[in-house]
Amino acid sequence: QLVLTQSPSASASLGASVKLTCTLSSGHSSYAIAWHQQQPEKGPRYLMKLNSDGSHSKGDGIPDRFSGSSSGAERYLTISSLQSEDEADYYCQTWGTGFHVVFGGGTKLTVL
Amino acid sequence: EVQLVESGGGLVQPGRSLRLSCAASGFTFDDYAMHWVRQAPGKGLEWVSGISWNSGSIGYADSVKGRFTISRDNAKNSLYLQMNSLRAEDTALYYCAKAYCSGGSCYTYFDYWGQGTLVTVSS
Repeated sequence: QLVLTQSPSASASLGASVKLTCTLSSGHSSYAIAWHQQQPEKGPRYLMKLNSDGSHSKGDGIPDRFSGSSSGAERYLTISSLQSEDEADYYCQTWGTGFHVVFGGGTKLTVL
Repeated sequence: EVQLVESGGGLVQPGRSLRLSCAASGFTFDDYAMHWVRQAPGKGLEWVSGISWNSGSIGYADSVKGRFTISRDNAKNSLYLQMNSLRAEDTALYYCAKAYCSGGSCYTYFDYWGQGTLVTVSS
């Protein structure tokens, strides 16, 4: 079964870096994912598509501070030089054949 | 600039129906698959339904299969979600989302989202 697992929360200081993790279920380590950001009271915003080899393609206007990487079944989103507006929920999402869409539970990022 | 604007949400009694609309602009609508994703209050994102560019392929989450119907009108650059037999657990913010497509192929991830329309199912 295709499942994405995320830690419910993370925190880091203003100006620091943080690495969020999304883990693919067993047998699905080759899958690409997408990262989405949801700021408070806003609709989600696409950040990037992240492949199993770590290559990624970012959405329009996404700053260089956002980057992605992969290792095995883990997919990472790294945000450097944290700003207050980065405080948000971050969701990973993947897909199977046809219209099989899966979201992770989301990670709430607090900027201290 | 890509814009997706949802409408049609509101308060509805259990068992009743509601039709959501999504007006799209800033891209060639009939080149792209489109989707509905919902978010219950305080919860995460849940995919609801998707439709290919020509309505030839359609999919639904198990939770809405048989009750919801997705459709599109490419001449009007619009996406719709007909929701019947609504339940309390359908209460959520409903987002319209554009699929990423490149080189004639569409992938089931979303590169643009709307701001959502709230559906509340309650007596």
